[in-house]
Amino acid sequence: QSALTQPASVSGSHGQSITISCTGTSSDVGGYNYVSWYQQHPGKAPKLMIYDVSKRPSGVSNRFSGSKSGNTASLTISGLQAEDEADYYCSSYTSSLRVFGGGTKLTVL
Amino acid sequence: QVQLQESGPGLVKPSGTLSLSCAVSGGSTSSSNWWSWVRQPPGKGLEWIGEIFRSGSTNYNPSLKSRVTISVDKSKNQFSLKLSSVTAADTAVYYCARASYYYDSNPFDYWGQGTLVTVSS
Repeated sequence: QSALTQPASVSGSHGQSITISCTGTSSDVGGYNYVSWYQQHPGKAPKLMIYDVSKRPSGVSNRFSGSKSGNTASLTISGLQAEDEADYYCSSYTSSLRVFGGGTKLTVL
Repeated sequence: QVQLQESGPGLVKPSGTLSLSCAVSGGSTSSSNWWSWVRQPPGKGLEWIGEIFRSGSTNYNPSLKSRVTISVDKSKNQFSLKLSSVTAADTAVYYCARASYYYDSNPFDYWGQGTLVTVSS
């Protein structure tokens, strides 16, 4: 089970939108809607932001949205705010195994 | 509100066994959820270690499977991790987490605060 591929870093200006990609294979990301996204601030535990590709847990801002096309899932954050600056991880759950992406550091300019 | 709290030694000697426990409050290890361990080496990304269901069924990361044992003690409402033959590469912050069985992707919806385990002599 190989790690999912994410860009190491992305940046955007306050108020803009950014998209973080997460590329897997037809055996994981592409084959099932079992993708979730996590936000992690320095020194803190990860926080669930998106599950089942595009669903938001209660309490998560609607500025966060998820989608999938083929073997690539995406997390979009609109209206960037300073508090969005963090590391973001995608994860896939298939065949009773879980795998994370390498993580993407988001910088808000 | 479910809360998880890791506990265990912060320092383990090379070739020894890392042992951690995760106490669950506000929820039950007898519920239909997967109880999981995830680790994060300093400055690096997340790595899934493995998980256990209330039935005792387990799933492990294939890269760690030969060294990992996860167990659950429903009477104490906690679950545990043992990782044998540790090396410096096992130095990491170890998180326990609940993976919700009610959603298709079984996402990690609750996490412990994490505990740093250093492997060093």
